[in-house]
Amino acid sequence: NAGVMQNPRHLVRRRGQEARLRCSPMKGHSHVYWYRQLPEEGLKFMVYLQKENIIDESGMPKERFSAEFPKEGPSILRIQQVVRGDSAAYFCASSLGIGTDTQYFGPGTRLTVL
Amino acid sequence: AQTVTQSQPEMSVQEAETVTLSCTYDTSESDYYLFWYKQPPSRQMILVIRQEAYKQQNATENRFSVNFQKAAKSFSLKISDSQLGDAAMYFCAYRSATNSNYQLIWGAGTKLIIKP
Repeated sequence: NAGVMQNPRHLVRRRGQEARLRCSPMKGHSHVYWYRQLPEEGLKFMVYLQKENIIDESGMPKERFSAEFPKEGPSILRIQQVVRGDSAAYFCASSLGIGTDTQYFGPGTRLTVL
Repeated sequence: AQTVTQSQPEMSVQEAETVTLSCTYDTSESDYYLFWYKQPPSRQMILVIRQEAYKQQNATENRFSVNFQKAAKSFSLKISDSQLGDAAMYFCAYRSATNSNYQLIWGAGTKLIIKP
């Protein structure tokens, strides 16, 4: 039973480029969460999605960041016109349902903006 | 708003000994979940243990156990018989039990060093 998959594991972008981070949830999970971890800090919630729906994006910056979870395929976190401050580890988690369900994490994508 | 505090940026322990990592939290809710996650150098975030606030019994998973003190809002992690593979960052996290509030609130982490 494969866990949460994220790719790429490492991504290097120059300022102004776009970054696309992908997350495939655990088999059977239809709830996806994205978190960001800045150096030396804990994770911060960004967005919660179900298939084809954004449920809560309260933790996501209003500009340049967007997320989707299509009916088919992985969830995508997209960062347009990246800046150095976007450099961080981005983690995706999935759960079977909401409520009491534990969130299981992927290995993260480390984004470095030059 | 809920907060989670880990007051120990770094802890070290001799291999095979026991170590306790501290975590305190602040909430006005009565029903919630608490978690300890481990983040080794690979940076994968791994669930170590989970505690439901309504349960008085402390959760245990093999060498890992918690001391959950609800009144004191304390949730410490005890690692017995420490092994080299336990070296990692350990994060304490809180989550409300209400369906509409699913965000994990994280502490800043404690770096655990295992001395051989």
